[in-house]
Amino acid sequence: NAGVTQTPKFQVLKTGQSMTLQCAQDMNHNSMYWYRQDPGMGLRLIYYSASEGTTDKGEVPNGYNVSRLNKREFSLRLESAAPSQTSVYFCASSERWTEKNIQYFGAGTRLSVL
Amino acid sequence: GQSLEQPSEVTAVEGAIVQINCTYQTSGFYGLSWYQQHDGGAPTFLSYNALDGLEETGRFSSFLSRSDSYGYLLLQELQMKDSASYFCAGDSNYQLIWGAGTKLIIKP
Repeated sequence: NAGVTQTPKFQVLKTGQSMTLQCAQDMNHNSMYWYRQDPGMGLRLIYYSASEGTTDKGEVPNGYNVSRLNKREFSLRLESAAPSQTSVYFCASSERWTEKNIQYFGAGTRLSVL
Repeated sequence: GQSLEQPSEVTAVEGAIVQINCTYQTSGFYGLSWYQQHDGGAPTFLSYNALDGLEETGRFSSFLSRSDSYGYLLLQELQMKDSASYFCAGDSNYQLIWGAGTKLIIKP
């Protein structure tokens, strides 16, 4: 029972470098999400995918792009990393077609941009 | 806009009961949920209130009053392992709108 798997767990980038964060879920969920969490703060939604083939912006999408590769996988790309993107990134999935939007989270990716 | 407010920190004694409040402003939530996050960990789901009233799951209970735009999480028989941050989140269709979190400090 892997649930939601994120890779990598840690990453250090230099300003201007690009990278892709990977996320995969094995719960057959339709909806997937990318959040960032800064120290001592709550979760802020970057992008989400309500179902395979759709993506939508969340609260803080600037500087990021996403791809819903298939039902299982949802990746987040930083095209030109900036120090302001230093954060912990969480991927989550949920089965929104039921009554409750209960989200299941990956372990997170801790990203530092120097 | 949509926002949820909760206290930034709550302190309680091991074995006691603590209540974490959450008030919200929204045009309409399907329900209110609660998540727990230990330091360095990921949020994990605790409870969901779709209807007004109390939902009980073991030592944890959650309450919702839509007319008051208010909910709370009640933790009983506190244990040291309950030291964590607790987030309320409003279910707004495909998104969850998150509060800033309440850090629960438990003293022996």
